[in-house]
Amino acid sequence: GAGVSQTPSNKVTEKGKYVELRCDPISGHTALYWYRQSLGQGPEFLIYFQGTGAADDSGLPNDRFFAVRPEGSVSTLKIQRTERGDSAVYLCASSQVRLAAHNEQFFGPGTRLTVL
Amino acid sequence: DQQVKQNSPSLSVQEGRISILNCDYTNSMFDYFLWYKKYPAEGPTFLISISSIKDKNEDGRFTVFLNKSAKHLSLHIVPSQPGDSAVYFCAASIQGAQKLVFGQGTRLTINP
Repeated sequence: GAGVSQTPSNKVTEKGKYVELRCDPISGHTALYWYRQSLGQGPEFLIYFQGTGAADDSGLPNDRFFAVRPEGSVSTLKIQRTERGDSAVYLCASSQVRLAAHNEQFFGPGTRLTVL
Repeated sequence: DQQVKQNSPSLSVQEGRISILNCDYTNSMFDYFLWYKKYPAEGPTFLISISSIKDKNEDGRFTVFLNKSAKHLSLHIVPSQPGDSAVYFCAASIQGAQKLVFGQGTRLTINP
């Protein structure tokens, strides 16, 4: 079956611009996650959706970052007034959720964002 | 505050030998640990996990060891194969919190 897909694979933008990054999770996965991976670092948690709602957005660095998942499937990560420090690979993951259990997360290939 | 640390940025091992990747953590609330493998231009893929109630979990050539008192875990790969060359990430989570906390990664190179 299809895995997690992310578009675009690469995005180059100028400082101050607005960008949207899209994630299509594995069909049937109710949980969706966004992570950010800077050069030489591991993925860093941004936000977690359970269904349509953001269950944990504690990793969003500031109010320039926002994510939505209006129908409980596709998610969009939105970054306003981009800064050079936002340059990173943005990873999306999805999982099934079983109560009182840890759930394996399946990652997409990521979107490489470069802010000039 | 790096709660999960992989202190070796790189490791080089000869094909057929054992590869040992190490990971340390500071948060005693972590109760589940995972290893992910990442090839260039791909997302991380799940490799193996271990619950804090165990001290060892084995899956084929891969074994993860957990030492809770030392807050240390390790991934053993034996025998190492060229296809194992990748970046390996250690990750941890807390029951009830779905997010994963990752280490910085270790680049493993298997030499023929």
